[in-house]
Amino acid sequence: EAGVAQSPRYKIIEKRQSVAFWCNPISGHATLYWYQQILGQGPKLLIQFQNNGVVDDSQLPKDRFSAERLKGVDSTLKIQPAKLEDSAVYLCASSLEGTSGLTNTGELFFGEGSRLTVL
Amino acid sequence: RKEVEQDPGPFNVPEGATVAFNCTYSNSASQSFFWYRQDCRKEPKLLMSVYSSGNEDGRFTAQLNRASQYISLLIRDSKLSDSATYLCAVTVPSGTYKYIFGTGTRLKVLA
Repeated sequence: EAGVAQSPRYKIIEKRQSVAFWCNPISGHATLYWYQQILGQGPKLLIQFQNNGVVDDSQLPKDRFSAERLKGVDSTLKIQPAKLEDSAVYLCASSLEGTSGLTNTGELFFGEGSRLTVL
Repeated sequence: RKEVEQDPGPFNVPEGATVAFNCTYSNSASQSFFWYRQDCRKEPKLLMSVYSSGNEDGRFTAQLNRASQYISLLIRDSKLSDSATYLCAVTVPSGTYKYIFGTGTRLKVLA
């Protein structure tokens, strides 16, 4: 079974530029998460989707970050304009939560992440 | 106060030692509890879920104390390969729920 796919793996941009990250969750997983992980810290939840609806985006800096999950499958996270403090790994994860007909163990499955450096 | 708190460590222990980590959570309505392992520059992976009755998987034992709002992870007979960051995670009601991680505890097992 294919895992969570993310791209690009690495991105270097200058401050005030824009960047977009893409995530394709495990097939059939209803819930998709975007986390920001700054070096030395735990993953911070930015936004959580169930199908194509937003469950929580309370920690998403909405003046510069946006995310969408059209058709309830893959998702894009955008940052515009980027700041130095946005340098981090952006992790996408998916889970069976909300997937009808399947037993949900609560496990999150993560992609390898997209490492952003803002200069 | 953070929703989920952990001692960041690092914990440096010799091979064969027993080491324990705690994780506290602030929301008494938290529903599910997990320990994840994250190797350097890799993504987190589920180590084990934490059940009310406590659960064991080989050298790893997880416990939940709802009254004091903490979960724990005990690693017995530490191996060099156990060196990693251990993240606790809880689900917190938010519409349906949201999935929150702690800051992680770094473990280094020394030869």
